[in-house]
Amino acid sequence: EPEVTQTPSHQVTQMGQEVILRCVPISNHLYFYWYRQILGQKVEFLVSFYNNEISEKSEIFDDQFSVERPDGSNFTLKIRSTKLEDSAMYFCASSVTGGLNYNEQFFGPGTRLTVL
Amino acid sequence: DAKTTQPPSMDCAEGRAANLPCNHSTISGNEYVYWYRQIHSQGPQYIIHGLKNNETNEMASLIITEDRKSSTLILPHATLRDTAVYYCIVRGRDDKIIFGKGTRLHILP
Repeated sequence: EPEVTQTPSHQVTQMGQEVILRCVPISNHLYFYWYRQILGQKVEFLVSFYNNEISEKSEIFDDQFSVERPDGSNFTLKIRSTKLEDSAMYFCASSVTGGLNYNEQFFGPGTRLTVL
Repeated sequence: DAKTTQPPSMDCAEGRAANLPCNHSTISGNEYVYWYRQIHSQGPQYIIHGLKNNETNEMASLIITEDRKSSTLILPHATLRDTAVYYCIVRGRDDKIIFGKGTRLHILP
């Protein structure tokens, strides 16, 4: 069964450093998403991406964040200058359709980001 | 998106049916009811969705009341691997999923 994959599974970085989290969505999916979950808290939407541009982003997704689909298979989330409060589990998701009433999103296993 | 209300936690004996309730009294006519679950430290997993009619798949059944103001997710024969947080989500024409706190389901051996 096809699945969303994410690398690395755990990333440790120093405050102020740049990190890139990588995702490989399911191959025939066209819509891509990033969510995050701070330890013990709810899963929060960050950004959705379609046709090589951001379709929606949350208040969390400020200028320090960016997303890119550098090739036909990868989808990345970059945090330019990490802060302690960026420590969280980051989930990538993808779906075949978007902007419709029915939209099943498939989630990856997550990358645990620890900022020291 | 309409707000949903779920009990914070529930217990169910292994092998029995787990019935997880959800209230969504402000749901509008074009909004779907989705259920996802999150097993500890894993990504959320889609379970089932519905609009008006009851739905069943290999994982679960979804019962939606006639007025659509509430629904119940049924796991017919719960196993220890069904221990997870279950999220009831109501969505319209929107890409993003807004997760609440969900119901933490404990399956008891």
